[in-house]
Amino acid sequence: QVQLVQSGTEVKKPGASVKVSCKASGYTFTNYGLHWVRQAPGQGLQWMGWINAGDGDTEYSQRFQGRITFTRETSTSTVYMELRSLRFEDTAVYYCARAPGLDWYDNWGQGTLVTVSS
Amino acid sequence: EIVLTQSPGTLSLSPGERATLSCRASQSISSTYLAWYQQKPGQAPRLLIYGASRRATGIPDRFSGSGSGTDFTLTISRLEPEDFATYYCQQYTRTPYTFGQGTKLEIK
Repeated sequence: QVQLVQSGTEVKKPGASVKVSCKASGYTFTNYGLHWVRQAPGQGLQWMGWINAGDGDTEYSQRFQGRITFTRETSTSTVYMELRSLRFEDTAVYYCARAPGLDWYDNWGQGTLVTVSS
Repeated sequence: EIVLTQSPGTLSLSPGERATLSCRASQSISSTYLAWYQQKPGQAPRLLIYGASRRATGIPDRFSGSGSGTDFTLTISRLEPEDFATYYCQQYTRTPYTFGQGTKLEIK
């Protein structure tokens, strides 16, 4: 079965960077896009962007332009999300999600809590 | 950016009742590009509906979606105890993809 397993909880100081991983299994990794969505405590869902796991092409939300990078490692079926210059308001649960065709999300990772605290 | 507005913010109903959740878009979107998700506390969202009306794999037929243009609806025909959760709509017609702010369905 399809699984997306994310790395664990992170605590970072303002100005630092965080890199979250999302390991895929149960399907052909390079055939799908993987998106990143975050959710601040008690808030709704916010789209951050996506990476084409096949060719590595990326698209980022303008809200994060210049601070975010998605990469992928086909040998391990893993995608990474790096967010730099962290701010208190970046405290959130970060999810990766698979897009099976058009960009709805049929499988989600379990989420990674990133806390930005001094 | 397409803004999705969900109503009501909170819906209080009893098991067995019918729930109707609304999602209104700030501009017209093709029904092909509208999805609904269910999220329970501490869990990732779960896909219910895509293409406005297509049930995802394993979703019970008490869940149905409809709508076009700027107005979309998620209907739960007879609420089961496990249906009490927060529901989000999402548009994927144009980036940045956006979600509604959510409707919390609570037990009355």
